[in-house]
Amino acid sequence: SQKIEQNSEALNIQEGKTATLTCNYTNYSPAYLQWYRQDPGRGPVFLLLIRENEKEKRKERLKVTFDTTLKQSLFHITASQPADSATYLCALYNFNKFYFGSGTKLNVKP
Amino acid sequence: GAVVSQHPSWVICKSGTSVKIECRSLDFQATTMFWYRQFPKQSLMLMATSNEGSKATYEQGVEKDKFLINHASLTLSTLTVTSAHPEDSSFYICSASGTGGAGYTFGSGTRLTVV
Repeated sequence: SQKIEQNSEALNIQEGKTATLTCNYTNYSPAYLQWYRQDPGRGPVFLLLIRENEKEKRKERLKVTFDTTLKQSLFHITASQPADSATYLCALYNFNKFYFGSGTKLNVKP
Repeated sequence: GAVVSQHPSWVICKSGTSVKIECRSLDFQATTMFWYRQFPKQSLMLMATSNEGSKATYEQGVEKDKFLINHASLTLSTLTVTSAHPEDSSFYICSASGTGGAGYTFGSGTRLTVV
C-alpha cells in the first residue's frame, strides 16, 4: 500500500539550531513534492516545491532535498526561531492529486 | 500572492441539520478546487476534486450524497454536509488551483462540530 511517513513525535530544538524533518514514502512515483507549514486551526501554507529531477531547493533559511532512490525528502530550517514552531507537512503530487503526510510538530525553544 | 478565503472558520450545528462551507479564490480563477478533511493529528485526506462547471470527483469511501460539492463559478466552490452527524465533526479545508501560475493555495479551514 502507499504510505507517506513523517515522524509523529514532536521535534524539540533550541533557538538558533538547525531543524531537520524527514518525509519517507513508499509505492509512489511523485512528479514533485511539497512542504507546507500548518499552524493550529489553520490551513496549510505552501513553503517549497521540489521536482523529481532536482536534488535540492533553497529559500532563505529553508532547504529541501529529494532523493528518489531512497524515497525520502529532508526539510531543513537553519537558524531556527521560536516563530518557526508549527507542524510541517510533506505532500506528494502523483496522478493529479496530492497525498499528505500526517506532519511533524516542531517546537523551537528560546 | 494567491488568496483563498474559506468561510465560516468554525461552525457548530445540531445533528441532522446541513451545513454549507464556502471557498472563494480572491485574486485568481480557480479552475480546480480540492476539498480535504483532517482529523486531529492526522494527515489531510482528499475528499473530492471539482472542476468549474462539472460534477465533482469523489474519493473512494466518500459519500457524494452526504458531501455535496458545487463549483458553479471560477471563484466559488461550496461543500454542503447534509444530515450531519457527530462523526462528521472535523476540520474541512479547501484548496484551489488556477490559471496564471497560482499553484495550489489552501483556505484557512473550517472547524465543524456536530452536537
